[in-house]
Amino acid sequence: KNQVEQSPQSLIILEGKNCTLQCNYTVSPFSNLRWYKQDTGRGPVSLTIMTFSENTKSNGRYTATLDADTKQSSLHITASQLSDSASYICVVTPRGIYNQGGKLIFGQGTELSVKP
Amino acid sequence: EAGVAQSPRYKIIEKRQSVAFWCNPISGHATLYWYQQILGQGPKLLIQFQNNGVVDDSQLPKDRFSAERLKGVDSTLKIQPAKLEDSAVYLCASSLDQWRDRDNSPLHFGNGTRLTVT
Repeated sequence: KNQVEQSPQSLIILEGKNCTLQCNYTVSPFSNLRWYKQDTGRGPVSLTIMTFSENTKSNGRYTATLDADTKQSSLHITASQLSDSASYICVVTPRGIYNQGGKLIFGQGTELSVKP
Repeated sequence: EAGVAQSPRYKIIEKRQSVAFWCNPISGHATLYWYQQILGQGPKLLIQFQNNGVVDDSQLPKDRFSAERLKGVDSTLKIQPAKLEDSAVYLCASSLDQWRDRDNSPLHFGNGTRLTVT
């Protein structure tokens, strides 16, 4: 069964510190892996998208890595800010037999709280 | 570009009543999704449209939920009758074309409708 598991479930860090969120998946083969940020009361917003052939992608202070061999991805946040407080969701797109995109598989999310 | 628009933002109804949500995707986006997000969980796909055709509705509780996307643009999601367990945020999202070969375009989400069933 295709699954996406995220850890930790929640995390509290102090402003200015770095943190790393983990995503393990069993989806194979897959087209891409995405990280989304969801602020409270808002819809998720795309941070990064990596295809199966990429192993790192940066977006400002956010850096995502992908190890297709171990089926793991991480999202590293550098010099955290109060505005980084949000839920971070890992999403994997299976690759269909005709190479079309399949139904996205969402992780449960990691709730990050940045304290002053 | 304008984002995905959803309305209403909040809705409170009693169980057994009916409710409808509306979504206007980003112009030109062929694929439209409705997701249900229960507090503390990731979004769960209810239905996916490709233009005005249904691609996947396998997780839609068809005895009470219905959705349509007339003319391949706007979409409505209806619940009739509502149950307590339907309390959730209903997210609409769109993308250029999820069905294209190796489409890697991101999903653009609306801010959702928070439904409370009492």
